[in-house]
Amino acid sequence: QVQLVQSGAEVKKPGASVKVSCKASGYTFTSYHIYWVRQATGQGLEWVGWMNPDSGYTASAQNFQGRLTMTRSTSMGTAYMELSSLRSEDTAVYYCARSFDYGDYSYFDPWGQGTLVTVSS
Amino acid sequence: QSVLTQPPSVSGAPGQRVTISCTGSDSNIVAAYDVHWYQQFPGTAPKLLIYGNNNRPSGVPDRFSGSKSGTSASLAITGLQPEDEADYYCQSYGNSLSAHVVFGGGTKLTVL
Repeated sequence: QVQLVQSGAEVKKPGASVKVSCKASGYTFTSYHIYWVRQATGQGLEWVGWMNPDSGYTASAQNFQGRLTMTRSTSMGTAYMELSSLRSEDTAVYYCARSFDYGDYSYFDPWGQGTLVTVSS
Repeated sequence: QSVLTQPPSVSGAPGQRVTISCTGSDSNIVAAYDVHWYQQFPGTAPKLLIYGNNNRPSGVPDRFSGSKSGTSASLAITGLQPEDEADYYCQSYGNSLSAHVVFGGGTKLTVL
């Protein structure tokens, strides 16, 4: 079955970087874009960025530009999200999700299980 | 503040019908673009519930339905069941490079 499995929880200090992985299985990794979405505790969903695993093209939400790097390993079917210059407000669960794209639209299915990133001194 | 506005909470008794609305801050967003819905239980990842305004993925019960009229989209749940208690999010196209994807703030459904 189609599945996205993410790396485990991370605790980082302010100013550090964190790298989260998202391993895809059950489908052709390069055929679907991967999106990253985060959710602070008790809060809603916030789009972070997306990547085309085939070309490597990426785009970030404005709030993360300059701090966000998305990469992939096509041989391992894995996408990576690295966020730098971490601050306490970056504490959240980070999700990867496979996107279905048509025209200007994207919807997401399935989602990874989420990775909790805690930023604390 | 979310670009898409949802009521923070709704409730209903088992067997009843409830609806959750999703309205764009720019009235053109929902009117012009497709809306998708997700269900999220505490401590778990969101799950796709409705895509393209009114389409159900395989495995989603037909008690769940989506619609769109004018500047508002809605998720309806009929025959409410205790296991429907969850958070529900709408999502659409952000129409800008800085907000390619936008979500509603989420609605907590309580089954009384």
